[in-house]
Amino acid sequence: AQKVTQAQTEISVVEKEDVTLDCVYETRDTTYYLFWYKQPPSGELVFLIRRNSFDEQNEISGRYSWNFQKSTSSFNFTITASQVVDSAVYFCALSGNNAGNMLTFGGGTRLMVKP
Amino acid sequence: DAGVIQSPRHEVTEMGQEVTLRCKPISGHDYLFWYRQTMMRGLELLIYFNNNVPIDDSGMPEDRFSAKMPNASFSTLKIQPSEPRDSAVYFCASSQGRPNTEAFFGQGTRLTVV
Repeated sequence: AQKVTQAQTEISVVEKEDVTLDCVYETRDTTYYLFWYKQPPSGELVFLIRRNSFDEQNEISGRYSWNFQKSTSSFNFTITASQVVDSAVYFCALSGNNAGNMLTFGGGTRLMVKP
Repeated sequence: DAGVIQSPRHEVTEMGQEVTLRCKPISGHDYLFWYRQTMMRGLELLIYFNNNVPIDDSGMPEDRFSAKMPNASFSTLKIQPSEPRDSAVYFCASSQGRPNTEAFFGQGTRLTVV
C-alpha cells in the first residue's frame, strides 16, 4: 500500500519569507516516483515536479527547490522569497512502479502568503 | 495542445437524477484517470484507463458510478442515481506512454447534488 502524509494542513507566511512544505511517504515499491502539484484558488491542478526514487539530487527551479531524502522517506518543497501568487494548496503525490500510473495524493498543505 | 478538457465546469442536479461528466484527454496520451476531490477525503482516484481499457476501478464508490472510454479522445463518468454525498469536484487527468509520467489535469467539474 502507498501512503503520502502532509502533516501541515495550513501555513501562513508574510511575503518574502521562505517556507518549506513537508511530505513523507510510504511505499513497498523499490522504484517509485514523487510529484508535487499546485492547486491555486481557481481550482485546477498544476504539475510542478516529478522525481524518481533513484535520483536523490536536489532540484532548484527559480524560487522553488525540492529536497528528496530516501533515508527519511521525505520529499520536501521549499519556496524562497514567497509571493502572494504562491498562495495555493500544494499536494505531494506518489506513484509506485507496480501501480501503473496511479497517483496517491497527500492531504495537501494550504499556503497563505500575506502581503 | 488545449490540455485536458472537462465539461461541464459546474453541474447542479437534484437527487436521483443521472449525471454525466465528460473528458477529452490530451491527444497522444494513453492513460486517463478520474479523481474526486472532497474536503473530507481529499483527492481520491476513482478509476483509470490505459489504451481505453479500464485497468483499476477499485476506487469507484459503488454501483451507481460507471465510467467508459469508447475511444482515445473521450471518456465519461456517470452517476445514476445521484445523491447529495456525491457532491464534489471531479477531475479528469491524462498521461503519456511510459509508466509514472506526470499526469495533466483538467479544470474539474464541480458537482452539486441537492
